[in-house]
Amino acid sequence: EVQLLESGGGLVQPGGSLRLSCAASGFTFSNYAMSWVRQAPGKGLEWVSAISGSGGSTYYADSVKGRFTISRDNSKNTLYLQMNSLRAEDTAVHYCARALTHCTNGVCYSGAYYFDYWGQGTLVTVSS
Amino acid sequence: DIQMTQSPSTLSASVGDRVTITCRASQSISSWLAWYQQKLGKAPKLLIYKASNLESGVPSRFSGSGSGTEFTLTISSLQPDDFATYYCQQYNTYSGLTFGGGTKVEIK
Repeated sequence: EVQLLESGGGLVQPGGSLRLSCAASGFTFSNYAMSWVRQAPGKGLEWVSAISGSGGSTYYADSVKGRFTISRDNSKNTLYLQMNSLRAEDTAVHYCARALTHCTNGVCYSGAYYFDYWGQGTLVTVSS
Repeated sequence: DIQMTQSPSTLSASVGDRVTITCRASQSISSWLAWYQQKLGKAPKLLIYKASNLESGVPSRFSGSGSGTEFTLTISSLQPDDFATYYCQQYNTYSGLTFGGGTKVEIK
C-alpha cells in the first residue's frame, strides 16, 4: 500500500525558515517523481514544486522560486521542501504527492505531472 | 501559465441527479487533464487522468470527456459519498502546473 507521511509543519515568523519532510513507503521511491501541492485555508489547490525520480530535475511555481528548494534522499525514501523567507501568503496545508507524467511515442514529458497518491498534509502557519 | 476555469463554483444537487462540471483551459492542453475529488479536511483523490481515463478503484458513475480547451466531469447518478469539492488540473507541458478553482457539490 502506498503511504506518504508529511511532517515538519508548524508556526513560523515572517522571514523565517522551515523544512518539510515526506516519508514514502509501499512503492519503489526512486522510480517516481514527487511533488508538493499546497492549499491555503478555505482556498483551492496550488502546485508548489516537483522533482524527478533521480533528483536531477526540479521545477517550481513562480510564487516560490528562489525561496523554496525541493530535494529527495532515495536511500531514505524521503522527500523534502526547504522553505526560506516565508511570507504570510505561504500559510497553507502542504501535501506531498506522487507524480506521474505522460509519454508519447517514447518521449516522456518530465515536469508535466499529475498526482495519483497524496499524503494527509502538514500545516504551515506564517505569522508574527 | 495556462489558466484553468471551472464552472460552476458551487452546485446544489440531489441524490440520483446527473451532475456535470466544466473546466476550460486558456490554451489547448490536448487531453492532459486530471480530475480530483476532495472531501473536507482530507487530501485530494485522483478520479480521472488524460481527460477520460478512470483511475483504478473509482466508481464507474464518474466519467470525463473533452480535449483541447474544454472538458467535463460527469457523475451519472449522484451518491451521498459524492458530496465534495472537485478540481481539474492541467499537465500539458511544463509551463507551470495549474488547478481550476474548484466546484463544490452540495446537497440540495
